[in-house]
Amino acid sequence: GIQVEQSPPDLILQEGANSTLRCNFSDSVNNLQWFHQNPWGQLINLFYIPSGTKQNGRLSATTVATERYSLLYISSSQTTDSGVYFCAAPVVVNTPLVFGKGTRLSVIA
Amino acid sequence: GAVVSQHPSRVICKSGTSVKIECRSLDFQATTMFWYRQFPKQSLMLMATSNEGSKATYEQGVEKDKFLINHASLTLSTLTVTSAHPEDSSFYICSARDFGDSLLGTEAFFGQGTRLTVV
Repeated sequence: GIQVEQSPPDLILQEGANSTLRCNFSDSVNNLQWFHQNPWGQLINLFYIPSGTKQNGRLSATTVATERYSLLYISSSQTTDSGVYFCAAPVVVNTPLVFGKGTRLSVIA
Repeated sequence: GAVVSQHPSRVICKSGTSVKIECRSLDFQATTMFWYRQFPKQSLMLMATSNEGSKATYEQGVEKDKFLINHASLTLSTLTVTSAHPEDSSFYICSARDFGDSLLGTEAFFGQGTRLTVV
């Protein structure tokens, strides 16, 4: 099955700093997603991004499907950005998502 | 986006009892839902695929007799943890997609999750 690898596993940022999270996948994917898991466990949908670039406020994401990776950019980080960021993709379109191990982000004031 | 609602958000039960977790798609119909489990500081692992009107498909290593899944309608799937033991304590999350008229890939949405503690 597909393998999803995320880096870095842990990241500590000073408030206001920028960061880039990376997601590599072992095979072609059709619908990669990025999530933020908050301290209560809720998975918040950030991006549904099979290819190309999308932006939402201070967050943006880019997926280069031909090279099998996706990047999540966080600019001007805030303490509320802390949590775990997951990328996930299905083995085949519309099958269950396979998750990476996540990047644990801590933003300190 | 589509809304998936999960209940309860937190439950504590005694060892040997059963617990039922509900997952509802609120504004769309879901012929398929997915159940995941997450242990502390780990990623989400797929447990089973719930299919409306038919048997669930379980991942390797997941006991189907322990984790009973019922998908009786197009908006509701339930996961029952039977004869729960402390090692079943975990965070359980359901997911569904709103396919609409699309035959292409669609975005998956998740319930709020249920934190189960077995004492």
